[in-house]
Amino acid sequence: AQSVTQLGSHVSVSEGALVLLRCNYSSSVPPYLFWYVQYPNQGLQLLLKYTSAATLVKGINGFEAEFKKSETSFHLTKPSAHMSDAAEYFCAVRNTGGFKTIFGAGTRLFVKA
Amino acid sequence: EAEVAQSPRYKITEKSQAVAFWCDPISGHATLYWYRQILGQGPELLVQFQDESVVDDSQLPKDRFSAERLKGVDSTLKIQPAELGDSAMYLCASSLAGVDTEAFFGQGTRLTVV
Repeated sequence: AQSVTQLGSHVSVSEGALVLLRCNYSSSVPPYLFWYVQYPNQGLQLLLKYTSAATLVKGINGFEAEFKKSETSFHLTKPSAHMSDAAEYFCAVRNTGGFKTIFGAGTRLFVKA
Repeated sequence: EAEVAQSPRYKITEKSQAVAFWCDPISGHATLYWYRQILGQGPELLVQFQDESVVDDSQLPKDRFSAERLKGVDSTLKIQPAELGDSAMYLCASSLAGVDTEAFFGQGTRLTVV
């Protein structure tokens, strides 16, 4: 069965600092992986997705994520945090052979001025 | 830009009453999802449609929840009777068919049961 673990329910960084949000997945077959962002009382917006092409995936708003099969990880990074990055971030996994997408519990990012 | 439309945005209902949510997916999207998101948690899939057919409703509490997508376009999710524990955000999403396609989400309906 597939699953997603997001390490750290809350992450706090200073404006301009590196953002690192961790995601580990469990899947018996090669997965598709997604990162979504959610602002308060809004739906989820796709940041980026991995679909077995390049292992380093670039997304919107300066975010990127690297797929590491050996570590079963898909961590999200951004070199320099902006106040507008404060939101909830969700990692999600879907098996290549299936159609069900499983979401992690989310990580809330706080950005300090 | 095409969007997933949901209504209402907010709903307050009394316990034991019926409540319904509506979703209009992006045109051409064959797959439609209903998720429930409890505060502080990730979205949990309630039901997934491929066109008008249900392909997964394993987490749908069928004694009180129902969902339909009669013409394979818009969809309705109903709860009857509502319980206090149903208070959550209900998110609708749609996607093209295919396992590598991402879901596009609506803004959700915030349900409060009092």
